[in-house]
Amino acid sequence: AQTVTQSQPEMSVQEAETVTLSCTYDTSENNYYLFWYKQPPSRQMILVIRQEAYKQQNATENRFSVNFQKAAKSFSLKISDSQLGDTAMYFCAFRGHNFNKFYFGSGTKLNVKP
Amino acid sequence: GAGVSQSPSNKVTEKGKDVELRCDPISGHTALYWYRQSLGQGLEFLIYFQGNSAPDKSGLPSDRFSAERTGGSVSTLTIQRTQQEDSAVYLCASSSDGATNEKLFFGSGTQLSVL
Repeated sequence: AQTVTQSQPEMSVQEAETVTLSCTYDTSENNYYLFWYKQPPSRQMILVIRQEAYKQQNATENRFSVNFQKAAKSFSLKISDSQLGDTAMYFCAFRGHNFNKFYFGSGTKLNVKP
Repeated sequence: GAGVSQSPSNKVTEKGKDVELRCDPISGHTALYWYRQSLGQGLEFLIYFQGNSAPDKSGLPSDRFSAERTGGSVSTLTIQRTQQEDSAVYLCASSSDGATNEKLFFGSGTQLSVL
């Protein structure tokens, strides 16, 4: 079975600085997708960034980028120039060949301080 | 609709009562998921609907939980004889991507509190 682990329950960063959130996963599959979702206090989860495992190039979306290490099964999220609006829970997620299921980590609560 | 809508936003019930949670997905989305988010935990898969196919119910934790999706649109998650351990946020998500289901659009969830 697939598992997703986020070992940082909570993190803080000063506004305008850079922070990296960690995620590791366990799978025997070779082709899969990885995601980072943001959950603000409104509870509505929003897709931040996604990565296809068959692509070697790390995905980037504006201030958000990932460091995807397939051999190490690691998928960290880097947020540059942190903004107060980045304060939220961040969930790492995995989807394999079973399209029915996304597997989520337990989340990292990020606090961006002014 | 403009987004995934869930109701009620919050529900407080007494142990042993039945509750119904509603999800209205984005119009045209064929895939619909229910997840449960307990305090300090990740999202736990409950059930998945795709078009007219039989739903994947493999995540439902007990036979007290059931869900249906009428007309391929609105879905209702029913919990019978609620227990305190059922207290959680129940999230609904939909997707338009058919087989790939890459991107999920989430509702704001229903916070269920069982006293």
